[in-house]
Amino acid sequence: DTEVTQTPKHLVMGMTNKKSLKCEQHMGHRAMYWYKQKAKKPPELMFVYSYEKLSINESVPSRFSPECPNSSLLNLHLHALQPEDSALYLCASSQRHGNGIQYFGAGTRLSVL
Amino acid sequence: GESVGLHLPTLSVQEGDNSIINCAYSNSASDYFIWYKQESGKGPQFIIDIRSNMDKRQGQRVTVLLNKTVKHLSLQIAATQPGDSAVYFCAEPRNRDDKIIFGKGTRLHILP
Repeated sequence: DTEVTQTPKHLVMGMTNKKSLKCEQHMGHRAMYWYKQKAKKPPELMFVYSYEKLSINESVPSRFSPECPNSSLLNLHLHALQPEDSALYLCASSQRHGNGIQYFGAGTRLSVL
Repeated sequence: GESVGLHLPTLSVQEGDNSIINCAYSNSASDYFIWYKQESGKGPQFIIDIRSNMDKRQGQRVTVLLNKTVKHLSLQIAATQPGDSAVYFCAEPRNRDDKIIFGKGTRLHILP
């Protein structure tokens, strides 16, 4: 089973809202990732968690706040987003950071109004 | 700087024919590559990988070729089917900071 589950699949939010994206994997992977993907572009790395600790923050604005409650779960808290933050947000996991093969979820399609 | 890029943004192939998707890279020290397939409404899906000590690797209906001399790799899909319609990314896991560098992607259209 190489499944990474993301919820919700779609999210519409206003610029003053607070919402959270959730990601879950039960493959025993110790590295988890958040990516942002705009239309017709490759995924762009946002954050990396390795053994439940934040190891990479790609200079992401503070209105995006990641959280890793345990080794199976990854959250992305959203607050005061801008319309240009509308995108597909992808979660991925790998056996360990630097292993190479990352397994992706289906993503959350986010629209900021 | 480093880059992993694809030669064509869109490729149209007749159903049943073979598809070849190309990718160039710039770092001669690159030693590991991955191909991902992203269907509409889904996340990227791992297809096949290859290390630099190999020239060729085969999977089910897919073959990846690596030419280190000209820093080029290709993904060949045999007997292309409608389900192969997707965007294909070549990607390079980078050793120095453990990030994956994605190419720009090639959209594969299957003609009936």
